[in-house]
Amino acid sequence: AQTVTQSQPEMSVQEAETVTLSCTYDTSESDYYLFWYKQPPSRQMILVIRQEAYKQQNATENRFSVNFQKAAKSFSLKISDSQLGDAAMYFCAYRSALGNTPLVFGKGTRLSVIA
Amino acid sequence: NAGVMQNPRHLVRRRGQEARLRCSPMKGHSHVYWYRQLPEEGLKFMVYLQKENIIDESGMPKERFSAEFPKEGPSILRIQQVVRGDSAAYFCASSPGSQAYEQYFGPGTRLTVT
Repeated sequence: AQTVTQSQPEMSVQEAETVTLSCTYDTSESDYYLFWYKQPPSRQMILVIRQEAYKQQNATENRFSVNFQKAAKSFSLKISDSQLGDAAMYFCAYRSALGNTPLVFGKGTRLSVIA
Repeated sequence: NAGVMQNPRHLVRRRGQEARLRCSPMKGHSHVYWYRQLPEEGLKFMVYLQKENIIDESGMPKERFSAEFPKEGPSILRIQQVVRGDSAAYFCASSPGSQAYEQYFGPGTRLTVT
């Protein structure tokens, strides 16, 4: 079974600075998808960024980018120019590419942004 | 295009009562997933349904929990004889079809068992 590990329960960053959230996963599959979701206090799950395992290029969405290391099974999220609105729980998730499979989530990292 | 709808947003039940959680997927989506989030935890998969079929219920407790997704109407997650340990946020997600990789989440239902 696949597992996702987020080793940082809490992180903090100064406004306008850069922060990196860590995520590692375990799988025997070669084709899969990886995601970062943001969960603000409203509890709504918001997709931040996704990465297809077959793509070598790291995904980027505005201030959010990932460092995908397939051999190391590592998928970290970098947030540049942090804003107060970035404060939230961040969850890393894995999904097999074999049909419609559920997401496997890590336990999350709580990010605080200091003004 | 309306997003995934869940109701109620908050539900309070006494121990032993039944809880019914509803999920209306996005228009055109025929695949529904239910997840449970315990306090300070990530989301954990419970059940995956397509219209009128349960595809994967490997994450659902064997007793007291059931789910359905009828031909017409929302998907229902039903918890019978609730206990305090059932207190959690329950999320529904939908996707359009077999080649889709993205799941769209509803706002969740927070169940509190007193």
